[in-house]
Amino acid sequence: DTEVTQTPKHLVMGMTNKKSLKCEQHMGHRAMYWYKQKAKKPPELMFVYSYEKLSINESVPSRFSPECPNSSLLNLHLHALQPEDSALYLCASSPGRATDTQYFGPGTRLTVL
Amino acid sequence: RKEVEQDPGPFNVPEGATVAFNCTYSNSASQSFFWYRQDCRKEPKLLMSVYSSGNEDGRFTAQLNRASQYISLLIRDSKLSDSATYLCVVEGGTASKLTFGTGTRLQVTL
Repeated sequence: DTEVTQTPKHLVMGMTNKKSLKCEQHMGHRAMYWYKQKAKKPPELMFVYSYEKLSINESVPSRFSPECPNSSLLNLHLHALQPEDSALYLCASSPGRATDTQYFGPGTRLTVL
Repeated sequence: RKEVEQDPGPFNVPEGATVAFNCTYSNSASQSFFWYRQDCRKEPKLLMSVYSSGNEDGRFTAQLNRASQYISLLIRDSKLSDSATYLCVVEGGTASKLTFGTGTRLQVTL
């Protein structure tokens, strides 16, 4: 079963709110990712966790804070976001290496007011 | 030169047509290559990995040309359901991550 789940599906938040996005996979994958995708653009890598350790941070602003509580879960904590952060946030996982085939969750569509 | 380049299209083709997309990449050290398909407002889904020897899956054929640093995707007997954006994805060499092309939009019409 190649399934990555994400919650919530949609999120609307104000610029002073704190919220979290959640991602889960039960495929035994050891690498997990957060991507941001704006309309008509490709996914843009934000963070990579490999064996529960942060291995890549693509110079993402600190208002985005990732967390990997265990090998199946990945969170993205959001605080003091800007309207330009509105986008589709995609979680993905892969068996081990960051260059293995990645499987994507359905995404969280975020709107920042 | 961009790391991964694709013609954004759109490619408008009639049902039953054969259509081909190319994608060029800049890092000669790249080892992993993929085609993903993304429907409007949905997540990318793996269509196929691309191997050095080329590979075929039903109506879809992928090829890799290392000398010219491009990969291709051929779709035969296009169906309406093939309408989507096709993303070329390449390993970033020493960066140990995947890099996505901007995607090629395909619209198959009756």
